[in-house]
Amino acid sequence: NAGVMQNPRHLVRRRGQEARLRCSPMKGHSHVYWYRQLPEEGLKFMVYLQKENIIDESGMPKERFSAEFPKEGPSILRIQQVVRGDSAAYFCASSPEYEQYFGPGTRLTVT
Amino acid sequence: AQSVTQLDSHVSVSEGTPVLLRCNYSSSYSPSLFWYVQHPNKGLQLLLKYTSAATLVKGINGFEAEFKKSETSFHLTKPSAHMSDAAEYFCVVSLNTGFQKLVFGTGTRLLVSP
Repeated sequence: NAGVMQNPRHLVRRRGQEARLRCSPMKGHSHVYWYRQLPEEGLKFMVYLQKENIIDESGMPKERFSAEFPKEGPSILRIQQVVRGDSAAYFCASSPEYEQYFGPGTRLTVT
Repeated sequence: AQSVTQLDSHVSVSEGTPVLLRCNYSSSYSPSLFWYVQHPNKGLQLLLKYTSAATLVKGINGFEAEFKKSETSFHLTKPSAHMSDAAEYFCVVSLNTGFQKLVFGTGTRLLVSP
């Protein structure tokens, strides 16, 4: 059983561009979580999704950020009009029910 | 509100000596607590978890942690450090929200010298 997969592993975007981060959960997992890790900080919860539903997005910035977990395919975290402050590592985790398994992360750099 | 405080941002030990990484928690109820390890440019790996069973929790790679309610602590220990233990360690609490909403500490970087 492959682990949680995230791609790309590294992403460079210029200010104002869009960033799309993908997360493929482990087989059989229907719960996906996204976290952001700013430099020298711990991970911060962003959003929790189940298939086709956003369950809790209390950690998502109000603007420019959105997430989805469609019936088929990976979960997507989308950041529109990126700014330098969006530079961070973005981790997703998947869960069959409760315990979370983390992916390797996507490191976003905004230039 | 539930939170965790990691008291040391960096800990340096010599190979073969004991490791102690400190964590204090704040919670209005019996919490679920975890320790995760993050190696450079890698994802997070669960070391161990406490979920109100035995207060001494054994994890992978020889790590263990003891839940002390009277001290609101959940310190991570290992009797003998190995070079491969050098990494960032996060103490984490799970909020009682109906799903596993994790709150991470700021992390402790463990440095192991030969």
